[in-house]
Amino acid sequence: ILNVEQSPQSLHVQEGDSTNFTCSFPSSNFYALHWYRWETAKSPEALFVMTLNGDEKKKGRISATLNTKEGYSYLYIKGSQPEDSATYLCASPNSGGYQKVTFGIGTKLQVIP
Amino acid sequence: NAGVMQNPRHLVRRRGQEARLRCSPMKGHSHVYWYRQLPEEGLKFMVYLQKENIIDESGMPKERFSAEFPKEGPSILRIQQVVRGDSAAYFCASSADYGYTFGSGTRLTVV
Repeated sequence: ILNVEQSPQSLHVQEGDSTNFTCSFPSSNFYALHWYRWETAKSPEALFVMTLNGDEKKKGRISATLNTKEGYSYLYIKGSQPEDSATYLCASPNSGGYQKVTFGIGTKLQVIP
Repeated sequence: NAGVMQNPRHLVRRRGQEARLRCSPMKGHSHVYWYRQLPEEGLKFMVYLQKENIIDESGMPKERFSAEFPKEGPSILRIQQVVRGDSAAYFCASSADYGYTFGSGTRLTVV
């Protein structure tokens, strides 16, 4: 069974502050690491899919890094804005097949104006 | 491209009734997944299907739950004889290779 863990579970930051949070996953039989952004009352929206050790991806003020050898990924948000408030999920495919993914519980970010 | 379409958005059923949740994947996507979000919990995998095949149903409760993805038409998640504990948000996602596109979910309430 694949355990995908995220920390912290919730986070409050002031508007304009930068922040980051962590996703850890078993490093054996790694296939890919996904990050999703999930706003309340909406559906999860894919941010990044990362496959290579050392990968770094960026979308606007949000970026992510990947370390497959030690089994962690960081998501960074630069200059947080209220519209960044959401739950950020990471997910990794199970070793049994790359299509089925296990989700972490998420990090709930609240940006205070 | 309309994305992943789920319906209904909200479904209320009395205990003992059947619930049918539908999911139409994105055009060109042949993989469909169903996830359940229970209150205060994350997304839990239920089942992974391709056209006319169940690939992995390890997350499906053994009784009352079934899923299909026929050659024509949407994928259906069926819950028979619903109980209060089935109340949850059910999300469908589809993919072509890596990465999922999610539908808006069906919120099932059992009264």
